[in-house]
Order: sequence, then C-alpha cells, then structure tokens
Amino acid sequence: QSALTQPASVSGSPGQSITISCTGTSSDVGSYNYVSWYHQHPGKAPKLMIYEVSNRPSGVSNRFSGSKSANTASLTISGLQAEDEADYYCSSYTSSGTVVFGGGTKLTVL
Amino acid sequence: QVQLQQSGPGLVKPSQTLSFTCAISGDSVSNNSATWNWIRQSPSRGLEWLGKTNYRSKWYNNYAVSVKSRITINADTSKNQLFLQLNSVTPEDTAVYYCARSVNTAMVLWGQGTLVTVSS
Repeated sequence: QSALTQPASVSGSPGQSITISCTGTSSDVGSYNYVSWYHQHPGKAPKLMIYEVSNRPSGVSNRFSGSKSANTASLTISGLQAEDEADYYCSSYTSSGTVVFGGGTKLTVL
Repeated sequence: QVQLQQSGPGLVKPSQTLSFTCAISGDSVSNNSATWNWIRQSPSRGLEWLGKTNYRSKWYNNYAVSVKSRITINADTSKNQLFLQLNSVTPEDTAVYYCARSVNTAMVLWGQGTLVTVSS
C-alpha cells in the first residue's frame, strides 16, 4: 500500500487561508469517507483535526475544514494563525482493511 | 478520561524482537466499540500504520503488508494492556512507536510515543 501523496510544504501569512491536498487511489480515498487529518508539533504525538472527511472533533477550531473529491481529499485552514505552524498528515481506510497515511506537509506561517 | 501509557525498550539489537506495552486507563481494551492500533514514525518512512486489534465477540487483527510476516498485536484483558511484538528487527525499524485508539480509522487518542533504536 503506497502512502497518500501530500505536498511537502505549504506556507501562508497570518489571516490567509491555505489548502493541503491528499491524493490517493480508488482503493482508499476514492472509495471511503474515512479520511482523517492530523497535525503534529515537534516532539509531540499527532492530534486528530478532521475525521470522516469533514467532521471536527470537539475542541478543534472551525477554522479547520475538510473535503473530498474523487481520489483527493483536502484540508483547508482559514484565518491562519502562528500556532497552526506544524506538520499535517492525512490518512485513509483502504480496501484491504488497513490504514494508510500521507507523507506529511510542513505548514509554515510567514 | 482515556489515557494510553506506553512502555518499551529504547535500544534493540538487530535480529532481536522489539516489544512494546500500552497500558490503557479510562477504557477497556475489550470494549466492543474500540479499535487499538500501533503506528510508527521515522524521518525516512513518515507515519506508518502497523496494525490493529479489536474485540467484537472475538479478537480480530489486521496488519500492514510491510510488516505482516514479523508482527503480532494482542491484548491482555486482565491487565487492560495492548502489546506489540516485531520480530527480526533491522535498523530500518528505528522509529518512534505509538499506540492509538481509533474510531472508524480516525486515531482519536495517541500514546506519548517511544523512540526505539535498532543498533548493535
């Protein structure tokens, strides 16, 4: 199972919006609404930000939103803040009953 | 409040077996709505899902193809603990290892992570 494809890095200025893409295949992202997004600060465990494509866990800011079209899922962060600077990962359920992660995207807030 | 506390070795020699324990508090490892996962992270491989176990009247496991021949995930209901064994390790298995609770494959809770280095 190949990792999902994410851009290595994205950047934006405070207050702007950015979008991170996550491209899989018809065997994972394209077939299931079990796409999740995580952010990870250095030395910390990942934290769930979005589950089932577009749902936010309790306590996660509504500045974070998710969507999906065909084999590509997207995470949008609006009103960018300094504390959003982190690594972001997507994951998806697969037709093999396994889970696959993306390679990760480093978000820099300029 | 559910918490996951990991323990395991920091250093393992090549060809040996890597063993980790994840102590669960605030939930039951045999909760029939929970799934328990092991995930690792390294600079070269990024986040890599290794496998999962859950209890639905009996125990079910599923493992990543990349480690399927070397991995065992199981649980001790009396101690409420989750275990990972990875056999025949090589330096490629050097990583931070996490246990995590998932709901519909979303990792809702993570352990603190434990770095293991495979080196002679």
